[in-house]
This record gives sequence, structure tokens and C-alpha cells, in this order.
Amino acid sequence: AQSVSQHNHHVILSEAASLELGCNYSYGGTVNLFWYVQYPGQHLQLLLKYFSGDPLVKGIKGFEAEFIKSKFSFNLRKPSVQWSDTAEYFCAVRGFQKLVFGTGTRLLVSP
Amino acid sequence: DTGVSQNPRHKITKRGQNVTFRCDPISEHNRLYWYRQTLGQGPEFLTYFQNEAQLEKSRLLSDRFSAERPKGSFSTLEIQRTEQGDSAMYLCASSLGAQGLFADTQYFGPGTRLTVL
Repeated sequence: AQSVSQHNHHVILSEAASLELGCNYSYGGTVNLFWYVQYPGQHLQLLLKYFSGDPLVKGIKGFEAEFIKSKFSFNLRKPSVQWSDTAEYFCAVRGFQKLVFGTGTRLLVSP
Repeated sequence: DTGVSQNPRHKITKRGQNVTFRCDPISEHNRLYWYRQTLGQGPEFLTYFQNEAQLEKSRLLSDRFSAERPKGSFSTLEIQRTEQGDSAMYLCASSLGAQGLFADTQYFGPGTRLTVL
């Protein structure tokens, strides 16, 4: 069975700090990996995705993630966060058709 | 607005009552998914449709839950004899279901928040 683990439940950063959110997955087949973001009061939005090819994936708003197969990881990064990045971030793995999500990381960016 | 829409956005009901939620997917998306999200957790898969066929159901979907997608367009999720443990955000997502680079990216609606008193 697929599973996703997000190690950081709450992260607090100051503006301009660098961000890295951890995500580890468990799945024996070909993986499709996703990061979704939920801004306060808004619905889940796709941030970036990995299906195949270049393991370094770039998404919207300056986010990127690196797929490291040997570590079963798909960590999310951003070199310099902004106050507007305050949100909850979910990592997900697609097994067959359904998505399996992690428990999420709440990021608070202080101005 | 061409995104996934869900109605109602909020529903408060008393224990034992039946409730029904509706999801309208992005047009031409042939796959539709239902998830449930409780506080402090990520969304959990409930069921999914390809066109009008319900192809997978989670063990979370007890006999009190039923989902339909009668014409392969909108979908309804009904919960009978609601319990307090059913209180959650119910999310709908849709995807194109095609092969290729953008295969099966799921786009989510705003959700229906259910509170069972």
C-alpha cells in the first residue's frame, strides 16, 4: 500500500528565508508525485508534479522539488519565501488512480 | 469559472439525518474523485469514477455512503444516517484521464464542510 510521510507539521520562517519541506513515500510501482498547496480560505491547488524524466521539477511561484528515487523522497524547496507563501502544503503519491496524501505541513511566514 | 464546483459549501445536520453533496467537474474531464479531509490530516480517498462507472471504493466508504455519476458529468455523494464521525470536509476532484505529460493531474474543488451535531 502506498503511504506518504511529511516530517514537519509546522514550520515558521521569516521572509527571505529558504524553505525545504520533507516528503518520503512508500510505493513499489512507478511513482507519480505531487505537491499541492492550500492557501487560507482557498481550495487545494497543484504546485508541481513529477511523472518521469528530469528529477528536478519546477513549479509555480518559484517552488521546486527533487525526486530522489534511492531515498524515496520528493522534498519541496524555495530559495526565498514570501509572506504570501503562508499556507498548508501537502505531498501526494499517485497509486493507480487515487492520490495518497501526507498529513500536511503548515507554513507560516512572518513579514 | 471553469474549475470544479461543489454544493453546498457548508452543511450542518443532526445525527441520523441524510445529506447529499453535489460535484460538477471540469467539463470534458472523464474522471471524478471524492476525498474526505478531517482536521490535521491530508485528504483521504473515498471513491472514483471513470465516466459513469464507479471503479474503486475505499474501505472508508461504509454502507451508509453512496456515490453516483449517472450521466458521466456531475456526481453526488450521499451519506445516510449521519454520525458525528462523518464531520469532515468532503472534496471532489476531476482529471482528464488521458495519457501523456498531463495525465491524470487532479484538480480539486472548494469542498463541502459537513458538521454533524
